[in-house]
Amino acid sequence: DAEITQSPRHKITETGRQVTLACHQTWNHNNMFWYRQDLGHGLRLIHYSYGVQDTNKGEVSDGYSVSRSNTEDLPLTLESAASSQTSVYFCASSENPTVTAYEQYFGPGTRLTVT
Amino acid sequence: KQEVTQIPAALSVPEGENLVLNCSFTDSAIYNLQWFRQDPGKGLTSLLLIQSSQREQTSGRLNASLDKSSGRSTLYIAASQPGDSATYLCALNYGQNFVFGPGTRLSVLP
Repeated sequence: DAEITQSPRHKITETGRQVTLACHQTWNHNNMFWYRQDLGHGLRLIHYSYGVQDTNKGEVSDGYSVSRSNTEDLPLTLESAASSQTSVYFCASSENPTVTAYEQYFGPGTRLTVT
Repeated sequence: KQEVTQIPAALSVPEGENLVLNCSFTDSAIYNLQWFRQDPGKGLTSLLLIQSSQREQTSGRLNASLDKSSGRSTLYIAASQPGDSATYLCALNYGQNFVFGPGTRLSVLP
């Protein structure tokens, strides 16, 4: 069955370190998204991609970057981790919007703690 | 900017009750609306997807409606069970992006 996976599931890192969170989907979806979820803020969009070599900034993109070299993967990099980036991170994917059933599928999440 | 609200923020009901969760949005120019369920410490599971041209969708004990003109969607859960306890989120798709509501935390008591 097609799925979307994230790794690691839990990560503890120190302030100032570079961290990369992996996201891999086997749906063959063009669109991929990264969200963070925090108490009091709900889910907020960090970055998104509509296809290979395409990346776009979301609502809370400062301090994060992504790259899309193939259809399956969209890694999220924290250039210099800050305590404010302690959060749960979700990756999601969806089909091209020209397809009627434009449903979004989520990974299990990565819990990141920056100390 | 699209604003999404969900009322109530939390709800506690006895098992067997029928209940309604509400989702309101400010911009009716949406492609579709999706309802999700999230269990504590877990990811999001899609429950129902309503296209902008549809009025409702049903899956088992769940029924979701959409009224774009009034900026509202409701999720109806029939004969609630303790296993329905979770946080329910609505998400609006406009353009190629999604905006999420803050969620309603549901507790169904045995």
